[in-house]
Amino acid sequence: EAGVAQSPRYKIIEKRQSVAFWCNPISGHATLYWYQQILGQGPKLLIQFQNNGVVDDSQLPKDRFSAERLKGVDSTLKIQPAKLEDSAVYLCASSRSKSSNYGYTFGSGTRLTVV
Amino acid sequence: GENVEQHPSTLSVQEGDSAVIKCTYSDSASNYFPWYKQELGKRPQLIIDIRSNVGEKKDQRIAVTLNKTAKHFSLHITETQPEDSAVYFCAPRADTGTASKLTFGTGTRLQVTL
Repeated sequence: EAGVAQSPRYKIIEKRQSVAFWCNPISGHATLYWYQQILGQGPKLLIQFQNNGVVDDSQLPKDRFSAERLKGVDSTLKIQPAKLEDSAVYLCASSRSKSSNYGYTFGSGTRLTVV
Repeated sequence: GENVEQHPSTLSVQEGDSAVIKCTYSDSASNYFPWYKQELGKRPQLIIDIRSNVGEKKDQRIAVTLNKTAKHFSLHITETQPEDSAVYFCAPRADTGTASKLTFGTGTRLQVTL
């Protein structure tokens, strides 16, 4: 099966600009996650979707971050305006269901640098 | 929320030696315990996992042991090889209500020297 696709692979923007990342999960995977991984740290969950509904966005900085998953397939994550501390790798992952009986598959990530 | 810690944060072993990384967690509802390996610039890759009804699981040179009472689980790598050099993350998971997520630990950098 095809993996989780993410684009772009790299992005450099100036602070206060906006940026969007795209994720296409594995076909048939109902659950989609966006993680933020700052250099030297473990990934931190930003938002979790079950189909097209949000089930956990407790750690999403909602004043500047937004995400959507229209039609329960592709997802976009947006940052507006970006801050220097948003520099990180943004990882998308998908799972067949939210149950722990099913594992995650991670995409290659988007490396964001804010200057 | 879940609090996850790993020890040690860095580990250097000689090729052929064993390596052990310990992960402690706080959420007693956690019922799935995976270990991920992340090489530089790459995505996290699942290397082994265990569920709460099992105490130990082995896959060739890699094993995971679970102590649910004490809330910790450990990764064991035997006969280490240079290609085992990477950052390892534990990521316990609890099925709570509508949300079920992996909470990643702080990471352990393993260096296998020749």
